[in-house]
Amino acid sequence: DAGITQSPRYKITETGRQVTLMCHQTWSHSYMFWYRQDLGHGLRLIYYSAAADITDKGEVPDGYVVSRSKTENFPLTLESATRSQTSVYFCASGGHSGNTIYFGEGSWLTVV
Amino acid sequence: GNSVTQMEGPVTLSEEAFLTINCTYTATGYPSLFWYVQYPGEGLQLLLKATKADDKGSNKGFEATYRKETTSFHLEKGSVQVSDSAVYFCAPGMRFGAGTRLTVKP
Repeated sequence: DAGITQSPRYKITETGRQVTLMCHQTWSHSYMFWYRQDLGHGLRLIYYSAAADITDKGEVPDGYVVSRSKTENFPLTLESATRSQTSVYFCASGGHSGNTIYFGEGSWLTVV
Repeated sequence: GNSVTQMEGPVTLSEEAFLTINCTYTATGYPSLFWYVQYPGEGLQLLLKATKADDKGSNKGFEATYRKETTSFHLEKGSVQVSDSAVYFCAPGMRFGAGTRLTVKP
């Protein structure tokens, strides 16, 4: 039972490069989410998706792009990475709006 | 959208002390309310939840009651243990509070 998996777990990249964080879930959950976690800011929602081909902005979407062509995958792309995007990124999924959210283990991204 | 105000930490307690972490929220309608816990180096996991007013969620000795009239969902535990040291997040749906770091000392 893999649940929800993120890759890569750790990444160092340079300013201006494109980076994609992958997320895969095996539960067939309708909802998927991307959060970033930073000291002093807690957990902030970047984007979420209610179903395949449906995505919506969260609290901090600028600089990020998402897609959801398949229910099980929800990649997050930083089109031109900046140092302020150094963070821990969590992918998550849930069966329905208002249901429990299940988190991946996180992807540690450092932009130098 | 929903938003949440959570008691700022860090909170440091001695083992067997009583814990309260305050959480108030604003929301459209009456969303399900959640507390999640994050142990060091891990992702978040559900601690407890309540789906309607006056419901009490409980797990591992932690409790929280859905208070519609005060829009609150405070987390309590009567006797904390060292193993409870973690960051706790309140969430009315998909939006999360800032998290409260709890350290329990022996």
